[in-house]
Amino acid sequence: DTGVSQDPRHKITKRGQNVTFRCDPISEHNRLYWYRQTLGQGPEFLTYFQNEAQLEKSRLLSDRFSAERPKGSFSTLEIQRTEQGDSAMYLCASSLDRGLGNQPQHFGDGTRLSIL
Amino acid sequence: EDKVVQSPLSLVVHEGDTVTLNCSYEVTNFRSLLWYKQEKKAPTFLFMLTSSGIEKKSGRLSSILDKKELSSILNITATQTGDSAIYLCAVENYGQNFVFGPGTRLSVLP
Repeated sequence: DTGVSQDPRHKITKRGQNVTFRCDPISEHNRLYWYRQTLGQGPEFLTYFQNEAQLEKSRLLSDRFSAERPKGSFSTLEIQRTEQGDSAMYLCASSLDRGLGNQPQHFGDGTRLSIL
Repeated sequence: EDKVVQSPLSLVVHEGDTVTLNCSYEVTNFRSLLWYKQEKKAPTFLFMLTSSGIEKKSGRLSSILDKKELSSILNITATQTGDSAIYLCAVENYGQNFVFGPGTRLSVLP
């Protein structure tokens, strides 16, 4: 399967702990996005990368959140000092933009984070 | 602030019915509008619309964009139980962000 892959699928941790999620996009895709989705809501944009450059971050992304995409391939999203409100599904998506117009995003199955 | 609104938020129909889902948006520098279907996991792509008045079709699903009214509809004809899902509308702006609506939860009863 050459779709978007996310790891882990589920993460349960205690409040105050740090967590890190990984996303492997579709190999030729140059754009990578992170979203957060809570029950009954659509995905909320967190941040996105064009190759290795992080081009935009949402106001939702507090200083406890950091994302990287070294070498423009896989990406990691780290949450430090987790809080109850961080419990959500974290979705990664990738797309290809050749400068002629963006192509649709393809989503991974997400990492479900539960904070105890 | 960019915003996407969907209606209805929830819909229950019987197999064979036709449904119309609505999406309206307020976005600066609109680039495209997308529809996704989300079952238990990842949203899966349905349509990408950039021009007004051009209907896109895939089997029993079709969608059209009205840039004058800042809206789009998604039609599903002859619904089946497998159509039960959350249908998400998203709008892309030239800041290359995607803003999603809350989704319409469709339940198709046998």
